[in-house]
Amino acid sequence: SAVISQKPSRDICQRGTSLTIQCQVDSQVTMMFWYRQQPGQSLTLIATANQGSEATYESGFVIDKFPISRPNLTFSTLTVSNMSPEDSSIYLCSVEKDGTGQETQYFGPGTRLLVL
Amino acid sequence: DAKTTQPPSMDCAEGRAANLPCNHSTISGNEYVYWYRQIHSQGPQYIIHGLKNNETNEMASLIITEDRKSSTLILPHATLRDTAVYYCIVHFGNEKLTFGTGTRLTIIP
Repeated sequence: SAVISQKPSRDICQRGTSLTIQCQVDSQVTMMFWYRQQPGQSLTLIATANQGSEATYESGFVIDKFPISRPNLTFSTLTVSNMSPEDSSIYLCSVEKDGTGQETQYFGPGTRLLVL
Repeated sequence: DAKTTQPPSMDCAEGRAANLPCNHSTISGNEYVYWYRQIHSQGPQYIIHGLKNNETNEMASLIITEDRKSSTLILPHATLRDTAVYYCIVHFGNEKLTFGTGTRLTIIP
């Protein structure tokens, strides 16, 4: 398995500002993922972040709005830029670790964001 | 789109076995069945996964039908802390995880 921490755990922000969320994992991993979970909804993948390459964004998500850094194999950041109330969500990072014959994803505790 | 179908909600008495069904009739031969759960306000927690054989770990058992079109997650002795949303996901390799709406399991004292 993997131990994943996220900072901050929660924040309240004003519209128009930006917030950077950090994700730290206790071991080196190749693939890290960022998800969003809007209130009452399921998880939606924002992007996949591999070390040494540009993040790959899912349909509906763009780099200008959600820039991602992946400076090494244990750390990544997601920035939510120019925030609006619609960005109020839980943001989760996950990592992929080799399981018994198949990769398994493990999730961080999430960052709960409220935009006023 | 999610490739699985789950009942939206279920109740189970504390101490009894909770059996959560999942239909995945379009599963392909190399896709695994994964189960995660999300306790309120927390990140999803990996429970178990399997390909075609039944699997058991310290948290749960996974029963997969012979045709692999459906499966059941079994929590053998449910406790109040098992109250959560349970997600059944079919997944292979580096494909992204696609979360459906899951089953909201409530354990009744």
